[in-house]
Amino acid sequence: DAGVTQSPTHLIKTRGQQVTLRCSPKSGHDTVSWYQQALGQGPQFIFQYYEEEERQRGNFPDRFSGHQFPNYSSELNVNALLLGDSALYLCASSTDIGAYEQYFGPGTRLTVT
Amino acid sequence: AQSVSQHNHHVILSEAASLELGCNYSYGGTVNLFWYVQYPGQHLQLLLKYFSGDPLVKGIKGFEAEFIKSKFSFNLRKPSVQWSDTAEYFCAVKARGSGTYKYIFGTGTRLKVLA
Repeated sequence: DAGVTQSPTHLIKTRGQQVTLRCSPKSGHDTVSWYQQALGQGPQFIFQYYEEEERQRGNFPDRFSGHQFPNYSSELNVNALLLGDSALYLCASSTDIGAYEQYFGPGTRLTVT
Repeated sequence: AQSVSQHNHHVILSEAASLELGCNYSYGGTVNLFWYVQYPGQHLQLLLKYFSGDPLVKGIKGFEAEFIKSKFSFNLRKPSVQWSDTAEYFCAVKARGSGTYKYIFGTGTRLKVLA
């Protein structure tokens, strides 16, 4: 049983560019949450998707957007990249919108130069 | 604003020593509480969780945590650590409002256990 998978593993982008990160949830999970983890910090909640809709959102600007597909996989898009967007982006999946028990993926390391 | 504080950023212990990692949160409403662990080279894993009921919860690998509502605390404990417990530990709170919720993580505590 595959756990949460994320792609790509690493990514280097230039300021002003746009990036798309991908996540496949654990088998049987229908809810996907995205987090940003800056160096030396804990994960910060970006948003959560359930039934292909954004259901909860943290304190992130509109440059951060997402999508969930019918197969429950999800994408995180970041537009107009800033140097401060450099971080590890984590995806977590769970079985219900309550997300009482989340399973995290390995993350995508984004570097903005 | 809601926040989670982990007071110990780095902890170094010898094997067999007892461990207590502090976690305090600021939120007056309903919360669910979690401790996650990240072993070197691995991704975040759930160590234990509290939803309701007995405030003393037991997790994997001999860890336990106690929810003290009056102190807004959820400290993690282990009576005797092992070298394999070397990892980063994160306290997290799910702060629930009316139909909404937020997940808030602490900044983490790096534990190094000396063999």
